[in-house]
Amino acid sequence: GESVGLHLPTLSVQEGDNSIINCAYSNSASDYFIWYKQESGKGPQFIIDIRSNMDKRQGQRVTVLLNKTVKHLSLQIAATQPGDSAVYFCAEAPPNDYKLSFGAGTTVTVRA
Amino acid sequence: KAGVTQTPRYLIKTRGQQVTLSCSPISGHRSVSWYQQTPGQGLQFLFEYFSETQRNKGNFPGRFSGRQFSNSRSEMNVSTLELGDSALYLCASSLSSPPTDTQYFGPGTRLTVL
Repeated sequence: GESVGLHLPTLSVQEGDNSIINCAYSNSASDYFIWYKQESGKGPQFIIDIRSNMDKRQGQRVTVLLNKTVKHLSLQIAATQPGDSAVYFCAEAPPNDYKLSFGAGTTVTVRA
Repeated sequence: KAGVTQTPRYLIKTRGQQVTLSCSPISGHRSVSWYQQTPGQGLQFLFEYFSETQRNKGNFPGRFSGRQFSNSRSEMNVSTLELGDSALYLCASSLSSPPTDTQYFGPGTRLTVL
């Protein structure tokens, strides 16, 4: 089957540095992509999304990049803070499917 | 506005039993989705409901079922529990058409099957 996956299961980042979390997807029909953050004991929290007709989208301290040629998605977090420590998931959705397919997740740990 | 609520938060059952989990969406949200989260399989889609109709279903056995009520609240049921059903069950609500209508997740119900 097709799936969305993250390149690295863990990422350790120095506070104040920028973080880059990568994700590869395989379903070429997917036209919508989302990044979620999940803190311990909580459900996933929406961070940012991007549609397939875009290659970059910026939010507050976060940027999502989409490379459809190589089916790659990335999340950049600027000036990483201790509160950014969490598990980050990418997710994809084909049109009109009403569901998300999630990647395995990357655990980000911010070092003080 | 209150977020998505799920009850109970924790549940311990034994093999062979059945369980019902409840989800109350954000007020005004009409779509409810359910996901199973395990360390080995990650987050997997179970089903999605809108206006009491199931619009999509994931690749889970028939032991997993759900329903949605006229007030958009949803329940999911797992019958004949197996050890492998131990997981965090997450509910997410959105206005009408997930995932392009942002899905808001609840804290989940942690099910342990002994």
